[in-house]
Amino acid sequence: NAGVTQTPKFRILKIGQSMTLQCTQDMNHNYMYWYRQDPGMGLKLIYYSVGAGITDKGEVPNGYNVSRSTTEDFPLRLELAAPSQTSVYFCASSWTGLAGGEQYFGPGTRLTVT
Amino acid sequence: QQQVKQSPQSLIVQKGGISIINCAYENTAFDYFPWYQQFPGKGPALLIAIRPDVSEKKEGRFTISFNKSAKQFSLHIMDSQPGDSATYFCAASELQGAQKLVFGQGTRLTINP
Repeated sequence: NAGVTQTPKFRILKIGQSMTLQCTQDMNHNYMYWYRQDPGMGLKLIYYSVGAGITDKGEVPNGYNVSRSTTEDFPLRLELAAPSQTSVYFCASSWTGLAGGEQYFGPGTRLTVT
Repeated sequence: QQQVKQSPQSLIVQKGGISIINCAYENTAFDYFPWYQQFPGKGPALLIAIRPDVSEKKEGRFTISFNKSAKQFSLHIMDSQPGDSATYFCAASELQGAQKLVFGQGTRLTINP
């Protein structure tokens, strides 16, 4: 199993450009999440999904969009990039139910907006 | 009410010493308290987790102590090794529903040889 994979690893965007961060998991997890990590701030939840076709906002959703057409894929879309979106983005997935809890993280995408 | 506060921000410990990181939470509905370990350039990985029906959980050199009445929990790393140098995050969530994790701010731990 590859676990959670993310592409690209690094990206530099100009202000106003758009891009999609890809996330795929091969563990058949229903739950998937997008976080951003800023220095000294921990990880903040952007969007999450509890299954294909179901998505919801997290703590910091502004400027982002997501879709979940399959169990495996959960792409994150930035429509009009702003310097405030410079961050490291992590995708994660987990099992459902009370036996779950552990989230498995991808290796991250480091995004710079200039 | 969703906050998880973590301290200290950074910690330097001698090899063989005990590393202690503390977290406090506000939401009494939280019932899952994991610690994640992150090395530079990598994603966080689960280190150890506890549920509030026990006051302590130990896995090798790593122990979580949990105080439900004080709404606090801590990570103890015994016999700290240079390979433990990493950033540690505490987190909390409700296992009912979407299991959204609320993370602490992180602690950068350095173990001096």
